[in-house]
Amino acid sequence: DVKVTQSSRYLVKRTGEKVFLECVQDMDHENMFWYRQDPGLGLRLIYFSYDVKMKEKGDIPEGYSVSREKKERFSLILESASTNQTSMYLCASSLRLRQVSTGYGTDTQYFGPGTRLTVL
Amino acid sequence: AQKITQTQPGMFVQEKEAVTLDCTYDTSDQSYGLFWYKQPSSGEMIFLIYQGSYDEQNATEGRYSLNFQKARKSANLVISASQLGDSAMYFCAMREGRNGQNFVFGPGTRLSVLP
Repeated sequence: DVKVTQSSRYLVKRTGEKVFLECVQDMDHENMFWYRQDPGLGLRLIYFSYDVKMKEKGDIPEGYSVSREKKERFSLILESASTNQTSMYLCASSLRLRQVSTGYGTDTQYFGPGTRLTVL
Repeated sequence: AQKITQTQPGMFVQEKEAVTLDCTYDTSDQSYGLFWYKQPSSGEMIFLIYQGSYDEQNATEGRYSLNFQKARKSANLVISASQLGDSAMYFCAMREGRNGQNFVFGPGTRLSVLP
């Protein structure tokens, strides 16, 4: 089974602090994603990475940065946390499409348990 | 423009009855994938079912089936014989793009199963 883990389930930080959210997957997936989830808005993509050291902005990258130094680990960084970044953060990973064409399972994303971040 | 539309913010169903959750999508790609996820109150996202754009048969996984109508761009989830444990948020999602890396989620439907 695919396992995606996130460093914390709950986190409380103060405005202006630098915040690191870590995500690790154990299935050798090439794609990794960070979303935030807010009531009524569904999941919104912050950043994704399709390879080590590669990253692409999603729909709402402002105020966030990411780091992917190793294939299995994708970090989300809030440089200076603000109260409007209070949210649930979900990490996900998936196979790249060419791997899916060999019949290696469905090309779904596998999600971590989420980190509920509160910024005071 | 909204790529995934789920018009039902909330739904109620009686235990043991079937329920259909609506999803329509918008894409100009020929190759894409459609997914449904379940999110219980604990917060984790659970993959339920997948339908590829070239699949001619509707996908089924146990009590879940996907009613895929390509011309209408709809991908409704049907849950048969609802159980109390089916109470959760349900998200429809689409994977598209040249490398299939664009995942787009709908706003979700909250399903409540009544005893």
